[in-house]
Amino acid sequence: ETGVTQTPRHLVMGMTNKKSLKCEQHLGHNAMYWYKQSAKKPLELMFVYSLEERVENNSVPSRFSPECPNSSHLFLHLHTLQPEDSALYLCASSPQDGPNQPQHFGDGTRLSIL
Amino acid sequence: RKEVEQDPGPFNVPEGATVAFNCTYSNSASQSFFWYRQDCRKEPKLLMSVYSSGNEDGRFTAQLNRASQYISLLIRDSKLSDSATYLCVVNIGKANNLFFGTGTRLTVIP
Repeated sequence: ETGVTQTPRHLVMGMTNKKSLKCEQHLGHNAMYWYKQSAKKPLELMFVYSLEERVENNSVPSRFSPECPNSSHLFLHLHTLQPEDSALYLCASSPQDGPNQPQHFGDGTRLSIL
Repeated sequence: RKEVEQDPGPFNVPEGATVAFNCTYSNSASQSFFWYRQDCRKEPKLLMSVYSSGNEDGRFTAQLNRASQYISLLIRDSKLSDSATYLCVVNIGKANNLFFGTGTRLTVIP
């Protein structure tokens, strides 16, 4: 039990589909994050939310649209993705958005774009 | 220059060996430093934070050298269960914008 739950675990979709990734944290944290991990590349930070407000968008294409309805839930809405978007998408949370705040990760959603 | 650089390895060591990993980072203003471990096809898990004075957690010792912008992780008495990829993590810019190295792969051999 990681305290951060992501669904679905695996997703295969076509380039014209619309889907959403879900993340839920049960740790009482105030900050949540989306990361992308492609093969043989380091984790790349995509978005940061602190107290449901987006505080960072790391030059992510608009085909990725995050939503944070409350401090426990984070979504990543996907539409018209490209094959290079195939990757592991990881959600994380931390107690606060500040220095020395270790982040706790979910299991990730492995996304494949056909 | 990459924000966080690590030797990708692989490091293959026998059980009981001592192994050290190094990491350099580019931003002298960085404040947060961590080592994470990631098992194959699993999520990263926090191993330990790294403090200026150095810190130890059982068989693991982390050191930070701000002048050289260098972080190290020492693992003593390696166990088979230590086999994983070890990720050096540093904040760049805003406090909690973490940048991950590509990781160093460790395999402990019986």
